[in-house]
Amino acid sequence: GIQVEQSPPDLILQEGANSTLRCNFSDSVNNLQWFHQNPWGQLINLFYIPSGTKQNGRLSATTVATERYSLLYISSSQTTDSGVYFCAVRKRGGTSYGKLTFGQGTILTVHP
Amino acid sequence: SAVISQKPSRDICQRGTSLTIQCQVDSQVTMMFWYRQQPGQSLTLIATANQGSEATYESGFVIDKFPISRPNLTFSTLTVSNMSPEDSSIYLCSQTVGETQYFGPGTRLLVL
Repeated sequence: GIQVEQSPPDLILQEGANSTLRCNFSDSVNNLQWFHQNPWGQLINLFYIPSGTKQNGRLSATTVATERYSLLYISSSQTTDSGVYFCAVRKRGGTSYGKLTFGQGTILTVHP
Repeated sequence: SAVISQKPSRDICQRGTSLTIQCQVDSQVTMMFWYRQQPGQSLTLIATANQGSEATYESGFVIDKFPISRPNLTFSTLTVSNMSPEDSSIYLCSQTVGETQYFGPGTRLLVL
């Protein structure tokens, strides 16, 4: 199956700092999503971004599909940004419509 | 977007018992999905719940352990049968709207 690797596994920031999270995947994809799992376990959709660049407030994401990676940028981090960030992909041409393969996540801790 | 609710939100169960988790979505969808997140781990697809047909299970998951019902286009249940402490996880229901996959708030299960 498709492999998804996220880096770094852990990240500790001071409030106000910027950060970049990376997601590498091993095959062509037709779906790539970034999620934030808050401390209560809720998965929050951040971006649907199989290619290109998108921005939403302090967050932006870029996927370079030809090189099989995606980046999530967090600017001016806040304590509420803490949690686990997951990248999830669906392999292009796959038969399992809803099967997102998740990376292991990046645990982000933002200190005040 | 999508509105997905799950019941119960959490439960503590004794080994050998079974728990049925309910998932309600706000729009009619052909497929609903059940994922598991073991402690400190990423999410893994258990099965796809198809309306009007048997669920499709991923490798490593079997119907006897995780029976699924899908009585209509907005509702599904997942039963965790004959539970053991290894079944302690968050169980999440999911649906796709357009190209974006959304997740319910999850059911936190602790098996003693």
